[in-house]
Amino acid sequence: GENVEQHPSTLSVQEGDSAVIKCTYSDSASNYFPWYKQELGKRPQLIIDIRSNVGEKKDQRIAVTLNKTAKHFSLHITETQPEDSAVYFCAAEGLTFGKGTHLIIQP
Amino acid sequence: GAVVSQHPSWVICKSGTSVKIECRSLDFQATTMFWYRQFPKQSLMLMATSNEGSKATYEQGVEKDKFLINHASLTLSTLTVTSAHPEDSSFYICSAQTVSYSPLHFGNGTRLTVT
Repeated sequence: GENVEQHPSTLSVQEGDSAVIKCTYSDSASNYFPWYKQELGKRPQLIIDIRSNVGEKKDQRIAVTLNKTAKHFSLHITETQPEDSAVYFCAAEGLTFGKGTHLIIQP
Repeated sequence: GAVVSQHPSWVICKSGTSVKIECRSLDFQATTMFWYRQFPKQSLMLMATSNEGSKATYEQGVEKDKFLINHASLTLSTLTVTSAHPEDSSFYICSAQTVSYSPLHFGNGTRLTVT
C-alpha cells in the first residue's frame, strides 16, 4: 500500500518568514495530493490540493509543488502569520496521511 | 456545501460497554466514508473504509469485530466500539468525499474516554 513520509515534524519560523513542509510517497500510481490544516481540537480542513497533471498550484500565500518523478510534494507558506500556527498533514490519494508537521509561528 | 456532521462530539463510557458514533453527510450523498483514529499530537490513522450497502474494508491491524461499521444509507455511517477498554480511548473522526480522489470533508470528531 501507499506510504507517506512527512518532514519536519515540528517547524518554527519567525512571523513573516516562509515555511516549507515536504512529503514523499511510495506509490507511483498516486494522482491526488491534498494538504490539510488542523487546529487544536478541530477537524482537518483542506487548504490546497494538487493533481498529478500539474506541477505547481498557488492560492495567495500558499503553494504546493509536485515532482512525480521523485515522488515528492511540498507545501510552501509565504509571509507567515500567527494564525498559520497549526498541524499540517499531507496525503496521497487523499487517504494515506503523513504524520503531520506542527508549524509554530514566532511573533 | 459538503458538510459532514459527527455525533457525539465527546462520550465517556465504562469499560465493557459499547459506544456508537454517527457520521452524516448533510448536503451530499457519500457512497464511501472513512473512519480515522487520532492519538494526541499524532496523525490520522485510517481504520476502515465504509461502503454503502456492503461490508466495510478494514485496515491491517484493526479488529473488525471490535469496531463495527455500518453504512446503511448514502448519508449515514456508524462506528460502534464494542466492549470498550481504556486503550480504546482516543479521538475518532470520520470523513467523506463527494467523488473519488477529491478533498475529504471531515466530521468534528468524537473524543472517546473509557473509564
